Amino acid sequence: AIQMTQSPSSLSASVGDRVTITCRASQGIRNDLGWYQQKPGKAPKLLIYAASSLQSGVPSRFSGSGSGTDFTLTISSLQPEDFATYYCLQDYTYPYTFGQGTKLEIK
Amino acid sequence: EVQLVESGGGLVQPGGSLRLSCAASGFTFSNYWMSWVRQAPGKGLEWVANIKQDGSEKTYVDSVKGRFTISRDNAQNSLYLQMNSLRAEDTAVYYCARRGNSGNSIYFDYWGQGTLVTASS
Repeated sequence: AIQMTQSPSSLSASVGDRVTITCRASQGIRNDLGWYQQKPGKAPKLLIYAASSLQSGVPSRFSGSGSGTDFTLTISSLQPEDFATYYCLQDYTYPYTFGQGTKLEIK
Repeated sequence: EVQLVESGGGLVQPGGSLRLSCAASGFTFSNYWMSWVRQAPGKGLEWVANIKQDGSEKTYVDSVKGRFTISRDNAQNSLYLQMNSLRAEDTAVYYCARRGNSGNSIYFDYWGQGTLVTASS
């Protein structure tokens, strides 16, 4: 199975900060990667698909980039509602695999 | 409005069985692949299974192969997960998710609220 490694595992930041989360695949996955946001007790929410395509209704401060094995999720200016856990997911091949998550906390 | 509502979770002894259901509404259910994703308490997300629109293709994560069966009833707009020989490590919130696509890209664009399965004696 393809392993997805996210970094950092946790991150403290302030409102207004620019934040970058990375995800590395154990083998090339083209651009078959999505990013999901999850708040406590809630279902995950799709933010980005195909590495860089913004899901409808998601604020433009979220952006994604990368291809092959290295990917990033960037939040350009953190808002209070962005504090959550973020997961990457490869859908290149079965079994689909998630990263271990990055918990974004308020500094 | 797209809605996915899971049900059927609960407490079951190890070795027991449980059947989860997911009722879909607000979209043409038969046009979409559907999936189950789970999350153990305090842990990350794990994809469990996929099923094609007509049920002809099913794929599973290795840890549930031979024990879990995904199925669907398009006439009832419902997705199911039959879970047999449950183990303690199957304890998790199980989410039903719609697998959307755009060109060659796929993604989980709608999720249910989840149903908790606890395998414990």
